[in-house]
Amino acid sequence: SAVISQKPSRDICQRGTSLTIQCQVDSQVTMMFWYRQQPGQSLTLIATANQGSEATYESGFVIDKFPISRPNLTFSTLTVSNMSPEDSSIYLCSVVFGNSPLHFGNGTRLTVT
Amino acid sequence: GQQVMQIPQYQHVQEGEDFTTYCNSSTTLSNIQWYKQRPGGHPVFLIQLVKSGEVKKQKRLTFQFGEAKKNSSLHITATQTTDVGTYFCAGMLPRANAGKSTFGDGTTLTVKP
Repeated sequence: SAVISQKPSRDICQRGTSLTIQCQVDSQVTMMFWYRQQPGQSLTLIATANQGSEATYESGFVIDKFPISRPNLTFSTLTVSNMSPEDSSIYLCSVVFGNSPLHFGNGTRLTVT
Repeated sequence: GQQVMQIPQYQHVQEGEDFTTYCNSSTTLSNIQWYKQRPGGHPVFLIQLVKSGEVKKQKRLTFQFGEAKKNSSLHITATQTTDVGTYFCAGMLPRANAGKSTFGDGTTLTVKP
């Protein structure tokens, strides 16, 4: 199976700053997604990362807050902008190969102070 | 919008006891997936169910998909300490894009040795 590398694995950031999370897959994927998992909660889809075009955001998430890039088939970034303590979560990159189910990266554990 | 309810939220069992988690959707699903997330880890795909009434087994784990394709269950026989974690179901609507599944809230299983 493919290797999904996500970094950083964790970070502690000050409010008002921004953090960019990277996701690299070692093979071409059909689709890439970014999920958020707040402490003790389920997974919520933030957006679908589209290659070479703007991401498709789910209700409640906007590009200004969570800009996403996907310059090619194997790499994507998610930026959490102007962070507040409410943004403290695990952010997970996930991919789909063909009709496969979701495969998740190890996640980025973000704490905003 | 689509809702996926999962119960119970928590389950604490003695090692050797059985465990079941239930998942119910407000709408008919195209398929349902089950994931396991160990403490501190990321969700890992377990299985996907597609057909009405489908039953699949993985060693001590039995997965069922309801006849109406609106509910599912995961049953673990004779739990072991290695079964500890949070089990999520994720339902996909017909004609939905791959990866756009709706996750249940998860059932966190703890096992007392």
